[in-house]
Amino acid sequence: IVMTQTPLSLSVTPGQPASISCKSSQSLLHSDGKTYLYWYLQKPGQSPQLLIYEVSSRFSGVPDRFSGSGSGTDFTLKISRVEAEDVGVYYCMQGMYFWTFGQGTKVEIK
Amino acid sequence: EVQLVESGGGLIQPGGSLRLSCAASGFSVSSNYMSWVRQAPGRGLEWVSIIYSGGGTTYYADSVKGRFTISRDNSKNTLYLQMSSLRADDTAVYFCAKGVGPTSPDYWGQGTLVTVSS
Repeated sequence: IVMTQTPLSLSVTPGQPASISCKSSQSLLHSDGKTYLYWYLQKPGQSPQLLIYEVSSRFSGVPDRFSGSGSGTDFTLKISRVEAEDVGVYYCMQGMYFWTFGQGTKVEIK
Repeated sequence: EVQLVESGGGLIQPGGSLRLSCAASGFSVSSNYMSWVRQAPGRGLEWVSIIYSGGGTTYYADSVKGRFTISRDNSKNTLYLQMSSLRADDTAVYFCAKGVGPTSPDYWGQGTLVTVSS
C-alpha cells in the first residue's frame, strides 16, 4: 500500500491553521469496521510520536488543536492554530497490511 | 512510564553482522506487539519487522527478509534485531516501537544508528 502526502512542506504563521493530505493506494477500511490510518509527528532530533489513531482519535496527551478526518483512501490532518512546538515532520501511516508511511510533510514556522 | 532504549548500533563493514537491543520498561514486551522501524539519513520511515505478542509470530519487510531476525527475551524484557549480510542501504537509525496491536506503534525509542561502510 502506497501512502502519498501533500504538501511535502508547509510554512505557517503561528496561530494560523494548517492542513496535510494523505492518500492511500488502497482502502484502509478493514472488515472489522475500523480504518487503520495514523498520524505521527517527528520533532527535530526526536523519534516519532503518535498523534492520531484510526483516522480521528487523538492519542493520550495530544492537544485538541490536532484533528484527523477522512475515510477509505483520503485523509486529512488539521492543526487549528499552529504553535512553535508543532514544528517537525508529519507522517501518515497505514496499518492495514504491515506498515507503510507517507513521505512526510515538513512543517516550519514563518 | 513506558521507556524503550535501543543499543548496539555502530559502524560495520558490508557483509557483516550486528545485533541491536531494545530494553523496555513500564510494560511487558511479551504482551505487546514489538517492531523495528528504520530511517535512512535524511529520509522517511520504513517498517522493518514485527513480533507478535504471546506466541511471537514474526514478519519482515521484503528488503530484509532472510537477513534480519527479530526476537525477544521475556526474562530481560528486551527486544532484539539480529542483522546479517549487511549492505550500504541498511544504513539508518533503527527505532524499536511497541503497540497494543499489530496495526500501529504507540511508543518509540530514541533510535540507534547503524552505518554500513568500508
